[in-house]
This record gives sequence, structure tokens and C-alpha cells, in this order.
Amino acid sequence: GAGVSQSPSNKVTEKGKDVELRCDPISGHTALYWYRQSLGQGLEFLIYFQGNSAPDKSGLPSDRFSAERTGGSVSTLTIQRTQQEDSAVYLCASSRVNAGELFFGEGSRLTVL
Amino acid sequence: GQQLNQSPQSMFIQEGEDVSMNCTSSSIFNTWLWYKQDPGEGPVLLIALYKAGELTSNGRLTAQFGITRKDSFLNISASIPSDVGIYFCAGPRNQFYFGTGTSLTVIP
Repeated sequence: GAGVSQSPSNKVTEKGKDVELRCDPISGHTALYWYRQSLGQGLEFLIYFQGNSAPDKSGLPSDRFSAERTGGSVSTLTIQRTQQEDSAVYLCASSRVNAGELFFGEGSRLTVL
Repeated sequence: GQQLNQSPQSMFIQEGEDVSMNCTSSSIFNTWLWYKQDPGEGPVLLIALYKAGELTSNGRLTAQFGITRKDSFLNISASIPSDVGIYFCAGPRNQFYFGTGTSLTVIP
């Protein structure tokens, strides 16, 4: 597609449920990034992929968070047993190479009740 | 992790005024990026800088890549209400590191 596409755009879930967030990067972009942004805050790095491998998972907040990328394209961020503090906007971004320009999707807003 | 210090944290200015914000790092970056984020949307790339000392303009925006490669600034001239938003600097090194953001409010 023309830009980075994320779904769902909004997700409301109950505490304890699992959620999956999807990111479809710009075609041809080999690097893919996940960030989290709490209300009024900056961007918190979660994980990045180069192709299908994740050289840096250091930002994942806990073992309830995981991400995968298949076919060097779509990525899924999974949050298990959601907690209220997981409520945030989850932003995905992609770049042609991991030192180039980064382009963001519109984000997935997660609300955990 | 790598820290990008961005200042000021927030700005309230009158329409028509010029704005200046900057970003500093303790480490060298070979690329500096400036983004703007509108409420409810993802950050949008404004300007990319690739060479120390480089000065680049995009309409009313001007950004410079510091000669030490540890800083960058962004200027907005003759601000208008749609300039409102949060501005982030970013530098890539394996992953992309982001500044803490500058929130800009333009008073008509």
C-alpha cells in the first residue's frame, strides 16, 4: 500500500483478555518498528524487525508482550492478559533500511477496562 | 538507552511569531529527522538531515544538522494555527531514538 497501515484503529478490551495488533508496512520496507505512546507522552520503543528477525526486543515491557513478522511484511504485536497500564496508542513504522527515514502508521488505540 | 534531549518541552506563541526548538544527544548521529504529530495521528516526517552542517528548508520550516553531529534545531517561521502539535526529533542507530517532544500551541 501507499503508507503504513495499522488495524484495528481502536480496540477496547477487558482486563485479562489477549489482544492482537496488526501492522502492514510500506511495500519494500525491510525494517519495521513498534512504539507505544501513552497519553501526552513521547514514543516508547518496543521492538524492531529487520526482515523477519528481531535484533532488538529490549523495549518489550514484559513477557506478556510478543511480536512476530512473517514474509518480511506484516507484523503482529500480541499482548496477553492485558492490564490497565497497557492502555496506550501502539504505533508501527517502517523504513527502507534501518538507518533511513521512518514512516509511521496512524496507530492502534488500546483501552483496557 | 540512548537519550535525545529536546527543548523546550512546550511553547505557547502568538500567530505570526517564529519558533525555534532543538535536540541534543550525548552521542553522534549520522542522520537527524524531525517529525510532527497531530492529535490522534501518527508522527509525520517533516525534514531529514544527512550531513553535518546541513541546513534544509521545507516551506516555513528550516532545520540544521549540528556540526558536531550531536545536535539539531528546527525553526518555524511566521507560525499559523495549523502548526499546533507535538514536534519530535529522531536519530537512527540500529533502532530510531526519539526526543521527548516539544508541544507547540499557536494562539490566533
